[in-house]
Amino acid sequence: GDSVTQTEGLVTLTEGLPVMLNCTYQSTYSPFLFWYVQHLNEAPKLLLKSFTDNKRPEHQGFHATLHKSSSSFHLQKSSAQLSDSALYYCALSDRDSNNRIFFGDGTQLVVKP
Amino acid sequence: EAAVTQSPRNKVTVTGGNVTLSCRQTNSHNYMYWYRQDTGHGLRLIHYSYGAGNLQIGDVPDGYKATRTTQEDFFLLLELASPSQTSLYFCASSPGQGSNERLFFGHGTKLSVL
Repeated sequence: GDSVTQTEGLVTLTEGLPVMLNCTYQSTYSPFLFWYVQHLNEAPKLLLKSFTDNKRPEHQGFHATLHKSSSSFHLQKSSAQLSDSALYYCALSDRDSNNRIFFGDGTQLVVKP
Repeated sequence: EAAVTQSPRNKVTVTGGNVTLSCRQTNSHNYMYWYRQDTGHGLRLIHYSYGAGNLQIGDVPDGYKATRTTQEDFFLLLELASPSQTSLYFCASSPGQGSNERLFFGHGTKLSVL
């Protein structure tokens, strides 16, 4: 079945350092991958999603590359900002999922001055 | 931006109590979802629906009922609330035209079962 794994529950780093949040997945079919971000006391919202043509999605300085060979969709940013502190979810859907989206357990990112 | 409205924002009830959480979307989306969010467990799907009168079972349905009365309205019912159902509940909607469609979330309902 479909599943998403985020290995880090908490990532703490200093402002200005690069960010990488891990996401691996299992899917029977070619999946679509998403990153959602949830700031404190807010609803989750879409940060970026994979494209069908394998272009690399980017938004607010974040990007992610879908690597089918390693079943990964890691989230990256070259330089962390204090405002990036949030809960990040990796998610997956595919044509067999009946419009369900499978979420990982989430990674809490804390950026310190 | 798609609008999803949940009510109430906060609810406190006692064990054994009867609770209804409401969700309305005004985006003409076909799919609506109920998730619960708990630390260490992320977002877990309770029930979802692809149209009025339809109900699909999610991953953690025990103790919950749901009903989609119209395309806009999706309700989550806890008929005998238990402390284990203390959680933050999110409703979401999606156009559902394909598997690459994003979810639009409401702001959540914080439920406490004493």
